[in-house]
Amino acid sequence: NAGVTQTPKFQVLKTGQSMTLQCAQDMNHNSMYWYRQDPGMGLRLIYYSASEGTTDKGEVPNGYNVSRLNKREFSLRLESAAPSQTSVYFCASSEGPGGYNEQFFGPGTRLTVL
Amino acid sequence: QKEVEQNSGPLSVPEGAIASLNCTYSDRVSQSFFWYRQYSGKSPELIMSIYSNGDKEDGRFTAQLNKASQYVSLLIRDSQPSDSATYLCAVPSGNTPLVFGKGTRLSVIA
Repeated sequence: NAGVTQTPKFQVLKTGQSMTLQCAQDMNHNSMYWYRQDPGMGLRLIYYSASEGTTDKGEVPNGYNVSRLNKREFSLRLESAAPSQTSVYFCASSEGPGGYNEQFFGPGTRLTVL
Repeated sequence: QKEVEQNSGPLSVPEGAIASLNCTYSDRVSQSFFWYRQYSGKSPELIMSIYSNGDKEDGRFTAQLNKASQYVSLLIRDSQPSDSATYLCAVPSGNTPLVFGKGTRLSVIA
């Protein structure tokens, strides 16, 4: 089992460029999440998908879009990247959306926007 | 926005000592509480979860929960240099599946 995988591992963009971060899980989990982590700010939830076919905004959704492609895959898109989006992005998954469910994290994508 | 507060540290303890990490949360209705460990440059991994008042032990780790005081702590006994990491407290809050604290950086000195 690979668990949660993310691609790419590193990315450098110029302001205004777009890109999609990919996430896949092989644990048959129903819920998936996208977080960003900035120095001194902790992990902040961008969007999540409680189950296939649903998506909801988290704490910091502005500037991002998501797609739950199927049960395994959940992508995060930056339509017009800004330097403020320089961060480490983590995808996570859990069996269900409730607070009793452990979240498993992917290795992260380190994004720099120049 | 409901909050989860942690001291940022660094918390330095000598090898073999007990490390005590603390977390307070603002959402009184939260029912589950998690501690994640994050090594530098790596992703968070769950080390403890606790749902009831009192203590929960797992090996060298003990989580303590006091819902009346809205306080959860993590004790690491016989601390090892390999325990040096950032420890994140996480609590479900309202519609947010998990709200994370900013983390406490622990340094275990050999």
